[in-house]
Amino acid sequence: EVQLVESGGGLVQPGRSLKLSCVASGFTFSNYGMNWIRQAPGKGLEWVAYISSGSSYIYYAETVKGRFTISRDNAKNTLYLQMTSLRSEDTALYYCARQDRTEIVMPTPFDYWGQGVMVTVSS
Amino acid sequence: DIQMTQSPASLSASLGETVTIECLASEDIYSNLAWYQQKPGKSPQLLIYDASSLQDGVPSRFSGSESGTQYSLEINSLQSEDAATYFCQQHHDYPNTFGAGTKLELK
Repeated sequence: EVQLVESGGGLVQPGRSLKLSCVASGFTFSNYGMNWIRQAPGKGLEWVAYISSGSSYIYYAETVKGRFTISRDNAKNTLYLQMTSLRSEDTALYYCARQDRTEIVMPTPFDYWGQGVMVTVSS
Repeated sequence: DIQMTQSPASLSASLGETVTIECLASEDIYSNLAWYQQKPGKSPQLLIYDASSLQDGVPSRFSGSESGTQYSLEINSLQSEDAATYFCQQHHDYPNTFGAGTKLELK
């Protein structure tokens, strides 16, 4: 069974940093591109970042470019999102999500999502 | 960025009815469109990909279609468990973009 479990969220002051993790199981993690997607309270979905299976290709939304860094450790089956210079508008539930196709760099649908981890940016 | 204009924002329908939700892409996305269902407090679930392909395990009362840059999700024979918010997503180019969502309520 495919599982994605996020952690690392919490309450953080504006301008500070936070690092999210997503542990994957039930599939060959190293074969799939992975994404972070967020959802502000009561709002829609916003794609945040993508990393290819071997970390060669990385893309960011303009709203986080230069502040967030996506990375992965295939030996640990773990996806990360390092968030710096956090702003109130970064407050959201952050999901990790799997590309639905292996070894493809182009965008794809997301076939598995974690349960999400809440990040609240407030003084 | 490709804009996805989703309509309606909300709708109310009765059990057994058929409803249609639409997404208009700001440019050609070549059928690279997915639909998701999200229930309160839950993660989104993939229903349809490539505009009209049904994800494994999704009931056949869900179907997707396209006409130019207009994409539609049709739900036939509404069931109580279909009450949810539905989102479209274009997966043609980065950044991935989503529609604003349609909240479906059952009368």
